[in-house]
Amino acid sequence: EAGVTQFPSHSVIEKGQTVTLRCDPISGHDNLYWYRRVMGKEIKFLLHFVKESKQDESGMPNNRFLAERTGGTYSTLKVQPAELEDSGVYFCASSRGGADFYGYTFGSGTRLTVV
Amino acid sequence: GQNIDQPTEMTATEGAIVQINCTYQTSGFNGLFWYQQHAGEAPTFLSYNVLDGLEEKGRFSSFLSRSKGYSYLLLKELQMKDSASYLCAVRADGKGANNLFFGTGTRLTVIP
Repeated sequence: EAGVTQFPSHSVIEKGQTVTLRCDPISGHDNLYWYRRVMGKEIKFLLHFVKESKQDESGMPNNRFLAERTGGTYSTLKVQPAELEDSGVYFCASSRGGADFYGYTFGSGTRLTVV
Repeated sequence: GQNIDQPTEMTATEGAIVQINCTYQTSGFNGLFWYQQHAGEAPTFLSYNVLDGLEEKGRFSSFLSRSKGYSYLLLKELQMKDSASYLCAVRADGKGANNLFFGTGTRLTVIP
């Protein structure tokens, strides 16, 4: 099966601009997660979708971040306006069920650099 | 809050055995995962422990002690391709039961 796909792989934008990241989960995976790794820090949870519904968005840093998953397939994460501290690697992961024994399949991430 | 600790870096020799430790303090516990991540690539699943004891899978084994909040990943017969970051992640329960809390990762360098 195809893995979790993220686009773009890299993005460099100026402070104040808008960027939209996309994640295509594994087909049939109802659960989709966004995580972020800021330089030197651990990977941190942002939010969790079950199909098209936001199950948990407690990790979203502020209202400049907007995640959507229309139709319960792919998801987008928009940062508007971007700030310098938003730089990092944004990972998407998906899983079949919430308590999937095998955990989560991650994408390769989008490296976002805000200058 | 959640706290996951693991060493930042380790170096080991090709063919040797290395143990990467992870200690955790979380509000609830519903499983511990180990992931391997090569630079610029996706974290890939290595192992999962939810009960105490040792899980063995080929050259890799993972151990869990829930009472001590402790796990380790054991890599045997090290190969150069094992040079990577190893991430310890804990799944809590209750609110956020499906989310993973990660340590900062251990960068393992295998030398000839």
